[in-house]
Amino acid sequence: AQSVTQLGSHVSVSEGALVLLRCNYSSSVPPYLFWYVQYPNQGLQLLLKYTTGATLVKGINGFEAEFKKSETSFHLTKPSAHMSDAAEYFCAVRFSGGGADGLTFGKGTHLIIQP
Amino acid sequence: NAGVTQTPKFQVLKTGQSMTLQCAQDMNHNSMYWYRQDPGMGLRLIYYSASEGTTDKGEVPNGYNVSRLNKREFSLRLESAAPSQTSVYFCASRARSGQGNYGYTFGSGTRLTVV
Repeated sequence: AQSVTQLGSHVSVSEGALVLLRCNYSSSVPPYLFWYVQYPNQGLQLLLKYTTGATLVKGINGFEAEFKKSETSFHLTKPSAHMSDAAEYFCAVRFSGGGADGLTFGKGTHLIIQP
Repeated sequence: NAGVTQTPKFQVLKTGQSMTLQCAQDMNHNSMYWYRQDPGMGLRLIYYSASEGTTDKGEVPNGYNVSRLNKREFSLRLESAAPSQTSVYFCASRARSGQGNYGYTFGSGTRLTVV
């Protein structure tokens, strides 16, 4: 079955440090890739997406992600963490081919920012 | 603002009661989805509708039914609620692949508690 794996259910970084949230997917066919952020008791907000074209994608709030086909990865980064980045982050994939439509989500990574 | 509207935002049900969660989008999207979010599980697809008049099962359809009333509205029904259905439910819609801004838009969620 196609799956999305986010390494680390919790990631803690210091304010000003690099943020790296990892996402790997299982598919030999390049899918569409998304990162969403969820603040407490709120819905999902799209950070960025990759569909086609440039593999380095820039999103909102200074985040970016790079699609690496050979590694089946789509890791999310931000050069300098801010306290307001504390939230839950979800990697999601729309797999190509047959099967159910819709996004397959990773289990999420809770980002903690230490002052 | 254009988007996906879910009602109600909060609901408490007794075991065995029934209810319908409502979802409407005003972006002229063809595809609509229902997800549930549980701690540590990410979001899982319950049902989806690729177009008006069609619905299909997702990953976790048991205990739910759906109706695509028209292009705008996609409802989720719990016929006999169980405590295992305590969750946060999200509705989403998607622009077609040929449309410029491909992506999924999520509602703000319905927090359901079954006691």
